[in-house]
Amino acid sequence: DQQVKQNSPSLSVQEGRISILNCDYTNSMFDYFLWYKKYPAEGPTFLISISSIKDKNEDGRFTVFLNKSAKHLSLHIVPSQPGDSAVYFCAASAFGNEKLTFGTGTRLTIIP
Amino acid sequence: NAGVMQNPRHLVRRRGQEARLRCSPMKGHSHVYWYRQLPEEGLKFMVYLQKENIIDESGMPKERFSAEFPKEGPSILRIQQVVRGDSAAYFCASSEFFGSRGYTFGSGTRLTVV
Repeated sequence: DQQVKQNSPSLSVQEGRISILNCDYTNSMFDYFLWYKKYPAEGPTFLISISSIKDKNEDGRFTVFLNKSAKHLSLHIVPSQPGDSAVYFCAASAFGNEKLTFGTGTRLTIIP
Repeated sequence: NAGVMQNPRHLVRRRGQEARLRCSPMKGHSHVYWYRQLPEEGLKFMVYLQKENIIDESGMPKERFSAEFPKEGPSILRIQQVVRGDSAAYFCASSEFFGSRGYTFGSGTRLTVV
């Protein structure tokens, strides 16, 4: 039972353009969402998060949007840079539960 | 301030041997989490520990796997009688307190069972 889904295994974007990564979830108990970035042979690195009381959170080039009614969130990266090439994981947790449920990841490739 | 330290980075075991993976949390962090990533999959929660206590082991396989976080020393994830299906990357993470809503991961231990 995949409670967090990232339906695009890969995405290629031209340098300087916007990258949009999508994530869907099914568990209505989730109230906190995170994006992690992962390079090969390294651990995931926290990027940005959003609580369910918000619909948008911004940090520099990264913005996360949350649509609770659609159970959908997206990560926007603008402008995209070559160093953004990595695997991006969406994760979710429920209040009172420290466990994170991860999606399967989207491999983002930025084309110079 | 060192991050979450995991060792070894790579571990090769023959089928039937034991694997011991170690994790030292960030300084001041008393909560440790273990996750496993199988090839081409996302990370799957295994176990959440606080010093000397297992808080949530709902993701741990029922047999052969155990975890501990003693009062002194690193957290240990132990896999007895390893099988080929145990080959994966095992990540440890730590946080300062319950409710921190997100934590810092180590670089992982890549276990290969031959």
